Amino acid sequence: DAGITQSPRHKVTETGTPVTLRCHQTENHRYMYWYRQDPGHGLRLIHYSYGVKDTDKGEVSDGYSVSRSKTEDFLLTLESATSSQTSVYFCAISDRGGQNYGYTFGSGTRLTVV
Amino acid sequence: AQTVTQSQPEMSVQEAETVTLSCTYDTSENNYYLFWYKQPPSRQMILVIRQEAYKQQNATENRFSVNFQKAAKSFSLKISDSQLGDTAMYFCAFMKHLGNEKLTFGTGTRLTIIP
Repeated sequence: DAGITQSPRHKVTETGTPVTLRCHQTENHRYMYWYRQDPGHGLRLIHYSYGVKDTDKGEVSDGYSVSRSKTEDFLLTLESATSSQTSVYFCAISDRGGQNYGYTFGSGTRLTVV
Repeated sequence: AQTVTQSQPEMSVQEAETVTLSCTYDTSENNYYLFWYKQPPSRQMILVIRQEAYKQQNATENRFSVNFQKAAKSFSLKISDSQLGDTAMYFCAFMKHLGNEKLTFGTGTRLTIIP
């Protein structure tokens, strides 16, 4: 049930390089989110979007930027990757007010910074 | 700011037994939503159950049920007749009723079902 897809699924990159992760939805939902998952921390919000070109910071936004030029796409960029950004990244969409209230998650991207 | 606490990092239980996962939260909001998500080894995040704070009745989904105690700010998940496929990380999460719908997660409980 693709509704939301993330790419790539895995990526290894070198310290100091820029990296962009992509999230694509086909549900036309207004809200989109980027989270990172680390052991002992659960999932923490990096950035979110509440509409085209409307974004805001989450609790762990340092070193990350986002863009949303179309409803269906939400990009997460690591401007200069560091080893502390090695993590699993999840994109999510929110069915605000719908019967299935809550998030739908993408399948995640495992990013390794070496 | 809201916080969600899961005090059991790991649990294990025999297949077919019942297990309860604990979750407490802290908020000054009166209206909100609570969720339990399951993350199996496949890494996919799967919604298990949701509870609206204004509803006094505890939510139930097949073998999964919650014990929602609003005054105590407690939201535990009970899994009955546990199955091997229930082995996963379980995350408790909180969302305010109005606003930007950010989810605040607990740190998770790793549940292992023993054959």
